[in-house]
Amino acid sequence: GAGVSQSPSNKVTEKGKDVELRCDPISGHTALYWYRQSLGQGLEFLIYFQGNSAPDKSGLPSDRFSAERTGGSVSTLTIQRTQQEDSAVYLCASSPPLYETQYFGPGTRLLVL
Amino acid sequence: GQQLNQSPQSMFIQEGEDVSMNCTSSSIFNTWLWYKQDPGEGPVLLIALYKAGELTSNGRLTAQFGITRKDSFLNISASIPSDVGIYFCAGQQPSGTYKYIFGTGTRLKVLA
Repeated sequence: GAGVSQSPSNKVTEKGKDVELRCDPISGHTALYWYRQSLGQGLEFLIYFQGNSAPDKSGLPSDRFSAERTGGSVSTLTIQRTQQEDSAVYLCASSPPLYETQYFGPGTRLLVL
Repeated sequence: GQQLNQSPQSMFIQEGEDVSMNCTSSSIFNTWLWYKQDPGEGPVLLIALYKAGELTSNGRLTAQFGITRKDSFLNISASIPSDVGIYFCAGQQPSGTYKYIFGTGTRLKVLA
């Protein structure tokens, strides 16, 4: 079946611009995660959605970052007034009910000039 | 953020050799996951471990959940060129039912 999809696959933007990154989780998966991966680094947790519960936003690095999940499916991560240090790969993952194992999308490579 | 200690950071091996890598933590985990990430791709789940002492295989891959619940290792037998990539461990803390802490990765390069 279809896996987690993310768009765009690559995004180049100018410092100060806003960007929106999209994630389509696997159908039926109730949990959705966003991570950030800087060059040569591990994965940094950003935000977690589970069903209709309030999201865990504890990993968001600043108030320029926000995310929403509409209808319990698609999620959008928004970065306002982008900075060069925001350049990274943004990965989305989803997991099915009752299981914690996460399935990742291919990521969005963001470059802020 | 908090990260696991994963080692080695990188390794070059000859095709056909066995590979071993591990993750350690100062705190216990409920679950260990091992992922492989190819260049330009997202991580792909290789093995999931749910119980201390558990030993699980997936083809040429074998992983174990340490008995102390603070470590895990991954072995790859008879490596082939397509094993190249970055291998990540991830641990799920008892206090956070959904948060995983990721290791910094082991970069594997296989020389034909």
